[in-house]
Amino acid sequence: DAKTTQPDSMESTEGETVHLPCSHATISGNEYIYWYRQVPLQGPEYVTHGLQQNTTNSMAFLAIASDRKSSTLILPHVSLRDAAVYHCILREQGTGSKLSFGKGAKLTVSP
Amino acid sequence: NAGVIQTPRHKVTGKGQEATLWCEPISGHSAVFWYRQTIVQGLEFLTYFRNQAPIDDSGMPKERFSAQMPNQSHSTLKIQSTQPQDSAVYLCASSLTGNSGNTLYFGEGSRLIVV
Repeated sequence: DAKTTQPDSMESTEGETVHLPCSHATISGNEYIYWYRQVPLQGPEYVTHGLQQNTTNSMAFLAIASDRKSSTLILPHVSLRDAAVYHCILREQGTGSKLSFGKGAKLTVSP
Repeated sequence: NAGVIQTPRHKVTGKGQEATLWCEPISGHSAVFWYRQTIVQGLEFLTYFRNQAPIDDSGMPKERFSAQMPNQSHSTLKIQSTQPQDSAVYLCASSLTGNSGNTLYFGEGSRLIVV
């Protein structure tokens, strides 16, 4: 069973702020929320991750619900280069925990 | 700094032949992960090393697939007697340690085609 649920796809226009939702209703207290993105012919690229608090970096803002059952990746002022498949992944704390990828959400950005 | 380096980027091999894929992790990273990606199955975890020791190979097919990490600067994934269903992009990733708070950085992948 998938541990996260994302929309299959989302569309946006250059310059917009995009909100990518992710539902993880069965998240456990020791799981990080990771976001990766992937474009064709390249490996996945790290975007951000968080545990409980909202996080921000040069790429995105990650808003985590207070009950941690959902999160939203916010991409400000998207450009064509932000078009990718975005993966929301849960990763257990501790050593050796792998990332388990789902299908992700395909973000299309129009000029 | 160079990222994760994977070679070859593309490999075409005949059915029944052996294929070896190489991965050079980011310098100083002690954890190396191997994944396989196909259109049908998506990204699948294969195996993971930490400090050159195999930690988790739960995703490795039981037959024909093997992975080694003979030193801290490279890891190999070997597929014996390749079959058409082995055709995929094989991705290597490294992280500073194996801890879940450490980011995985992926290479660009090795595309294997078995004909």
